[in-house]
Amino acid sequence: SQKIEQNSEALNIQEGKTATLTCNYTNYSPAYLQWYRQDPGRGPVFLLLIRENEKEKRKERLKVTFDTTLKQSLFHITASQPADSATYLCALVSGGYNKLIFGAGTRLAVHP
Amino acid sequence: NAGVTQTPKFRILKIGQSMTLQCTQDMNHNYMYWYRQDPGMGLKLIYYSVGAGITDKGEVPNGYNVSRSTTEDFPLRLELAAPSQTSVYFCASRLETGELFFGEGSRLTVL
Repeated sequence: SQKIEQNSEALNIQEGKTATLTCNYTNYSPAYLQWYRQDPGRGPVFLLLIRENEKEKRKERLKVTFDTTLKQSLFHITASQPADSATYLCALVSGGYNKLIFGAGTRLAVHP
Repeated sequence: NAGVTQTPKFRILKIGQSMTLQCTQDMNHNYMYWYRQDPGMGLKLIYYSVGAGITDKGEVPNGYNVSRSTTEDFPLRLELAAPSQTSVYFCASRLETGELFFGEGSRLTVL
């Protein structure tokens, strides 16, 4: 069956450290994968998109990698800040380019 | 530029009642989506549309219907509400490049 898996347990890190979140998928062949941030009571907000032919993408303190052999994406936040505390969702495109399927998300807590 | 607007923000329904969640976008996006999110869970795709007049089922379409008569509007209809439909519903529209823009959500409770 098709699955998208993210760490269900919250990730707690110290301010200034690098946070690394994992997204693994099974029985998908996505043309691209995305990461979103969601704050409590709000809709998700788009962060980064990485295509299957890209190994790495960066935006300010954010970095995403995409390994289609391992079927895994890693999402890194460097020099993390308490304001980075949120739930981070990965999503991949399925059914051609029409459907975007989400993982359950990983909650990140950055402590001062 | 309002982006994606959902109404109502909150609603309580009795079992068996029907209602429509409204979604409007002003970005002229062809693609629109409805998701539901249960507490502590990710988003599950209910229905999506690739343009006016075209809709298709997502992962969890049972108990819902949609229509897309215009580019701007993508209402979600709940018929015969059940407690299992208690959730937060998010509407989104999509750029051609893939990025989704979400509304603020509609919180529905079925009692």
